[in-house]
Amino acid sequence: QVQLVQSGAEVKKPGASVKVSCKASGYTFTGYYMHWVRQAPGQGLEWMGWINPNSGGTNYAQKFQGRVTMTRDTSISTAYMELSRLRSDDTAVYYCAREQIAAAGTNWFDPWGQGTLVTVSS
Amino acid sequence: DIQMTQSPSSLSASVGDRVTITCRASQSISSYLNWYQQKPGKAPKLLIYAASSLQSGVPSRFSGSGSGTDFTLTISSLQPEDFATYYCQQSYSTLTWAFGQGTKVEIK
Repeated sequence: QVQLVQSGAEVKKPGASVKVSCKASGYTFTGYYMHWVRQAPGQGLEWMGWINPNSGGTNYAQKFQGRVTMTRDTSISTAYMELSRLRSDDTAVYYCAREQIAAAGTNWFDPWGQGTLVTVSS
Repeated sequence: DIQMTQSPSSLSASVGDRVTITCRASQSISSYLNWYQQKPGKAPKLLIYAASSLQSGVPSRFSGSGSGTDFTLTISSLQPEDFATYYCQQSYSTLTWAFGQGTKVEIK
């Protein structure tokens, strides 16, 4: 079955970087865009950006431009999200999610990874 | 950027109640609207895509409607497992995806 498995929880100090991985299985990794979404404690969902695993092309939300880098390794069907210059308000659960596109052109996220908690604290 | 506004932010309901959640887009998004359910400590789960299409495996008590700027998620008869937070998402602008702020459905 289609599955996204993310790396484990991280604790980082302010100013550091974190790299979260998302391993895909059960489908052709290069055939679907991968998105990253985060959720701060008690807050809603915030879209961060996407990567095209086929070309490596990326598109980031303006809020994260200059701090986020999304990459992939097609040999192991894994996408990565690296966030730099971490601040306390980057403490959140980070999710990867596969974009599914219908023939009619409509699109949505399914499935999602299980989430990775990143805690930023001195 | 397209903004998504959900109402209400929270609601209390009883098992068996009919529940309606509204999502409004800041500009027309045709039918490019999805709904997700999220339970505490879990990843969001797709319920409805393209405004009104039920995702495989999702109970038929869930339905979606609307187009343009106004959309609705309806739960026809609330079940104990439906207590969760619900999010709408626009997929019209794929350069700047956006979610609504969420609606928490609680037990009355």
